[in-house]
Amino acid sequence: GAVVSQHPSWVICKSGTSVKIECRSLDFQATTMFWYRQFPKQSLMLMATSNEGSKATYEQGVEKDKFLINHASLTLSTLTVTSAHPEDSSFYICSARGQVMVNEQFFGPGTRLTVL
Amino acid sequence: KQEVTQIPAALSVPEGENLVLNCSFTDSAIYNLQWFRQDPGKGLTSLLLIQSSQREQTSGRLNASLDKSSGRSTLYIAASQPGDSATYLCAVRSAGNNRKLIWGLGTSLAVNP
Repeated sequence: GAVVSQHPSWVICKSGTSVKIECRSLDFQATTMFWYRQFPKQSLMLMATSNEGSKATYEQGVEKDKFLINHASLTLSTLTVTSAHPEDSSFYICSARGQVMVNEQFFGPGTRLTVL
Repeated sequence: KQEVTQIPAALSVPEGENLVLNCSFTDSAIYNLQWFRQDPGKGLTSLLLIQSSQREQTSGRLNASLDKSSGRSTLYIAASQPGDSATYLCAVRSAGNNRKLIWGLGTSLAVNP
């Protein structure tokens, strides 16, 4: 149980385009979803936290107009990287937390974004 | 401010060795501590979660201990195998309203056949 999927697993795009990454909780209702990014050989950096039906809360230094997060249902959250640039190339990981096990998060497999 | 440190940053051992990975944190007010495994270019696999009231958790060849008062956790891997090669991440869930996960930088483990 407690499976989180991400799509796509990898994406290559041209500079200036927008990319959408989906995160789904497959067998539980995710009241809260988290988006992380990870640079090579570094640990995870929390970008934002979103509760279903509410606006996301962004961490300091994360541009909310660049990284658009939507959490419209209890099983789906999306991260859209708008006008992507090479410096946005990274590994993006989503995580979900349900209503019952509020002190545990379940992680997706990640999405590798490469912006040319 | 909670800070999580993992030592060593990298470790290379021959197959069959027992090994210990260390994680320390600065604020003992935590809900739980979790150990994850990450393979290159992949997502996270949760290995063990220790609640703040617990001292240790075991799963197969893995044993994680928690000493909250001293701000330390260890992950013990018995009889290491080449398939154990990965990066091991320690994360602490802070007490308080936000309950954020605070991450260490990880220990990169290579088990050589």
